[in-house]
Amino acid sequence: DADVTQTPRNRITKTGKRIMLECSQTKGHDRMYWYRQDPGLGLRLIYYSFDVKDINKGEISDGYSVSRQAQAKFSLSLESAIPNQTALYFCATSGRLISGANVLTFGAGSRLTVL
Amino acid sequence: GESVGLHLPTLSVQEGDNSIINCAYSNSASDYFIWYKQESGKGPQFIIDIRSNMDKRQGQRVTVLLNKTVKHLSLQIAATQPGDSAVYFCAETWSSNYQLIWGAGTKLIIKP
Repeated sequence: DADVTQTPRNRITKTGKRIMLECSQTKGHDRMYWYRQDPGLGLRLIYYSFDVKDINKGEISDGYSVSRQAQAKFSLSLESAIPNQTALYFCATSGRLISGANVLTFGAGSRLTVL
Repeated sequence: GESVGLHLPTLSVQEGDNSIINCAYSNSASDYFIWYKQESGKGPQFIIDIRSNMDKRQGQRVTVLLNKTVKHLSLQIAATQPGDSAVYFCAETWSSNYQLIWGAGTKLIIKP
């Protein structure tokens, strides 16, 4: 099984619908993240959580909300989806290497299309 | 704000040759620089990191070079193979902050 599992992998929805993307991890990491990736571009941080009681906005949090249900689970919601939220969404967890660097482990991604 | 950027969006390399992917950064306070590889349809995967007090680090077939004087980072892949085809991202971070600043990515294409 993957260390970081995202569901659904693909979703097509209509404008105005509520969508939830779910993420679970078996790494035992406290820190979890949601990123958005648009075609040909890098990753942009939506929200991050350092533990169950900690939620922080990233650079593009407008239009999104998150819930950290447990150490292993972090879900992303779009309350009212709009077409420009069509993108590839990645969940990640992080832990420190021996070197001290904070390194992310990513899920396989959830491709969301909003019509 | 400060950012990490890449010089070349696409790099084509002959199979068996060495690849060099470049990255410029602007935050001189960053403690760590990390390279990720993203294959088509997958999430980014960690390749190698380098701490700011080092100028070179080697892994399996990969070497990362850090030039703090010109704020430049590079990833060298030896004897490039078809499986190296991917988008490569550099990212910077610092020990007091768990977030990463990402570059836009370089797509590496392997010519047979």
